Amino acid sequence: KQEVTQIPAALSVPEGENLVLNCSFTDSAIYNLQWFRQDPGKGLTSLLLIQSSQREQTSGRLNASLDKSSGRSTLYIAASQPGDSATYLCAVRNAGNMLTFGGGTRLMVKP
Amino acid sequence: DAGVIQSPRHEVTEMGQEVTLRCKPISGHNSLFWYRQTMMRGLELLIYFNNNVPIDDSGMPEDRFSAKMPNASFSTLKIQPSEPRDSAVYFCASGGSGYNEQFFGPGTRLTVL
Repeated sequence: KQEVTQIPAALSVPEGENLVLNCSFTDSAIYNLQWFRQDPGKGLTSLLLIQSSQREQTSGRLNASLDKSSGRSTLYIAASQPGDSATYLCAVRNAGNMLTFGGGTRLMVKP
Repeated sequence: DAGVIQSPRHEVTEMGQEVTLRCKPISGHNSLFWYRQTMMRGLELLIYFNNNVPIDDSGMPEDRFSAKMPNASFSTLKIQPSEPRDSAVYFCASGGSGYNEQFFGPGTRLTVL
C-alpha cells in the first residue's frame, strides 16, 4: 500500500526566503505526482503535475522535482511571500488512477 | 469554466438523518472522485468513477455510504444514516481521460450532531 509522507509538517519563514518542501513515497511505481495548495477552509488548487518520466516542472516561482527511483519529490518556492501561506499537499498516482495524499506541510510566511 | 461545483457548501444535521452531497464535474471530464478530509486521517479517496461507472469503491467506509453518477454531469454521495464520526469535509474532484490532473471542488463541510 502506497504511503506518502511530507516533511516538515509545519514551517514558518520570513518573507523573501527560498524554501523547500519535501515529499516521500514508498511505492515508486507511480504514474505521476501532483502538488496542491490548500488555503484554510478552501478546496485544493493544483500547482504542478509531474509525470513519472519527467524530472521537474516549473510554474512561476515554483519548481517541483521528482526522483522516482528514490521515492522523493521536492517543491521549491523562490522568494517566498506572505500570500504563499497555505498548506501544501503532495499526492501520487498509482495504477487505478487514484491519488494517495501526504499529510501536508503548513507554511507560514511572515512579512 | 466554473470548475467543479459542489453543494451544499455546509451541512449540519442530526445523527440518524440522511445526507446527500452533490457534485457537478468540469464539462468534458470523464473521471470523478469523492474524497473525505479530516484532521486525523487527512485526505482519503472514497470512490472513483470513470465514464459514469464506479471503478473503485474500496475507500467507502461502510454500507451507510453510497455514491451514484447517473450522467456525466452529476454525482451524489449519500450517507444514511449519518453518524457524528462522519463529520468531515467532503471533496469532489474531476479529471480528463488517462492519468491527468485532478481538479477539486470547494468541498462540503458536514457536521453531524
